[in-house]
Amino acid sequence: SQELEQSPQSLIVQEGKNLTINCTSSKTLYGLYWYKQKYGEGLIFLMMLQKGGEEKSHEKITAKLDEKKQQSSLHITASQPSHAGIYLCGADYSGYALNFGKGTSLLVTP
Amino acid sequence: DAGVIQSPRHEVTEMGQEVTLRCKPISGHNSLFWYRQTMMRGLELLIYFNNNVPIDDSGMPEDRFSAKMPNASFSTLKIQPSEPRDSAVYFCASSLSEDTQYFGPGTRLTVL
Repeated sequence: SQELEQSPQSLIVQEGKNLTINCTSSKTLYGLYWYKQKYGEGLIFLMMLQKGGEEKSHEKITAKLDEKKQQSSLHITASQPSHAGIYLCGADYSGYALNFGKGTSLLVTP
Repeated sequence: DAGVIQSPRHEVTEMGQEVTLRCKPISGHNSLFWYRQTMMRGLELLIYFNNNVPIDDSGMPEDRFSAKMPNASFSTLKIQPSEPRDSAVYFCASSLSEDTQYFGPGTRLTVL
């Protein structure tokens, strides 16, 4: 069974619209990482959350970790074509390696 | 600064052949990870090295897969013999201890 679930699997939004991607864990996390992957390329680190209730922002992307440290959301404000790609959440359960969700594919249309 | 370097970027080989993937981690990082990404299973950890020592290889599919890290600046992942089901994108990532993992661009492997 998948310990880390991401939703939605795919998303098509119009440029300028806001969107949210969710990541739910079946157990408590040491930490939660968000990465972005351009099609056919490697993963680019976005941000990491460790504390329950923590929220971080980078440019127009905000990520939150809930108090129980089992769910995280990634919110993009005023989406742009440059935001397109696959967003992956990675859970730190072991203190070193990451378990990844299946990813959310985002397409931003003009 | 150079990120994680992987080679080759693309590899096409025939079933039964030996395949060697290479990785150069970020200088100063002491942890190295090999992951495999497929459509069906997503991104999965194959093996984790810390200070050049394999710590967790529970994700290595079978004996056909082997990984080495002879020094702090180089690692290899070898598949012998390769099979069509090994076709995937293989990523190498490095980190400083338990800090953020930085990924290489990946090697896209196709086994015919």
